Amino acid sequence: AQSVTQPDIHITVSEGASLELRCNYSYGATPYLFWYVQSPGQGLQLLLKYFSGDTLVQGIKGFEAEFKRSQSSFNLRKPSVHWSDAAEYFCAVGGYNKLIFGAGTRLAVHP
Amino acid sequence: DVKVTQSSRYLVKRTGEKVFLECVQDMDHENMFWYRQDPGLGLRLIYFSYDVKMKEKGDIPEGYSVSREKKERFSLILESASTNQTSMYLCASRPLDRGRSTDTQYFGPGTRLTVL
Repeated sequence: AQSVTQPDIHITVSEGASLELRCNYSYGATPYLFWYVQSPGQGLQLLLKYFSGDTLVQGIKGFEAEFKRSQSSFNLRKPSVHWSDAAEYFCAVGGYNKLIFGAGTRLAVHP
Repeated sequence: DVKVTQSSRYLVKRTGEKVFLECVQDMDHENMFWYRQDPGLGLRLIYFSYDVKMKEKGDIPEGYSVSREKKERFSLILESASTNQTSMYLCASRPLDRGRSTDTQYFGPGTRLTVL
């Protein structure tokens, strides 16, 4: 079955610290992978996506993600978190005519 | 920039009422989607439309219907609202892409619906 797992429901980091949000997927074919961010009261905004090629993908707002086929993972990273990064983050895999989303990880940033 | 707008940010309705949620996109996208977002469940697809008057059921279509009479507008209808339909509803659009979802979906700000 196609699915996306985000093991961490909540994560809290200090401003300036590094961040890694985990995402594992289950998909039979080559996965097309996405990370979206939802700021409070907002819709979802695309951070980055992976279809093929270089397995390290750069996105907006200083985020990057690495596709690891052997681990079925697509973890999101940022070297130094800003207070404005506090939001909910969703990993998704492109299925037939739809996106399959994980449950999301809510990120809190302490000053 | 792609813009997807939804008619209401917050909506409160009573059980049994017929509810219309409207979504409009301005980028001439063929595909439009309605998702429901609940804590701990992420986003789940209710319906999707790949063209005017064309629709397909998503993962949780029960209790919902949709209408797509014009390319830019996609409506979600709750025929008889129930309390378990209290949720955040998100609309999205993307260019034509039948098959694997390779193209970015663009999301509206969401409608938080409360059914009393």
